[in-house]
Amino acid sequence: EAQVTQNPRYLITVTGKKLTVTCSQNMNHEYMSWYRQDPGLGLRQIYYSMNVEVTDKGDVPEGYKVSRKEKRNFPLILESPSPNQTSLYFCASSSHSNTGKWGYTFGSGTRLTVV
Amino acid sequence: GNSVTQMEGPVTLSEEAFLTINCTYTATGYPSLFWYVQYPGEGLQLLLKATKADDKGSNKGFEATYRKETTSFHLEKGSVQVSDSAVYFCALLEWETSGSRLTFGEGTQLTVNP
Repeated sequence: EAQVTQNPRYLITVTGKKLTVTCSQNMNHEYMSWYRQDPGLGLRQIYYSMNVEVTDKGDVPEGYKVSRKEKRNFPLILESPSPNQTSLYFCASSSHSNTGKWGYTFGSGTRLTVV
Repeated sequence: GNSVTQMEGPVTLSEEAFLTINCTYTATGYPSLFWYVQYPGEGLQLLLKATKADDKGSNKGFEATYRKETTSFHLEKGSVQVSDSAVYFCALLEWETSGSRLTFGEGTQLTVNP
């Protein structure tokens, strides 16, 4: 089954304790992206990656890091989490438009609480 | 920059009522437009899309028409069901030299009562 898998689904952590949210896709998609969802703000893009070793900032990158060492994986790293990073996070992947088969697939989400 | 504006929610309807959720956008180029749906506790699912002006996207009884002249992509359904209760997001996608950017609206919570 084609899917984007995020782990964990739920996480409660303390301020300053480094954490990683994993994201993996099995569709051989080139493009992957992270979003955070907050009430009244919709989804905002954190980082995206066009392909292996190619990443770029989205709209709200502060406090986050990403890496793309393999095509299928795109982990989101919070080096020193703070309470304002409490949110619902989604990973998404897509093929390129020039393939004619593009479309975004989203993971099920990771609900992060930083206390 | 690009932006998407959705009608404010929440929206509460009775079963079999007509639904409209307004969506307007601002974009520099010629974006593709989407509606995504998020059921409670789940991720986003693509509901429908339109890639150029005057295209109509449709799925599961929902429809939306890409109106370039009014920069709108309103979501409609003739007869809603309780199972349609969810949050609906309008989004636009533009391909840039550095990749694609999917910009979302704020989301509209729909509750359908029996």
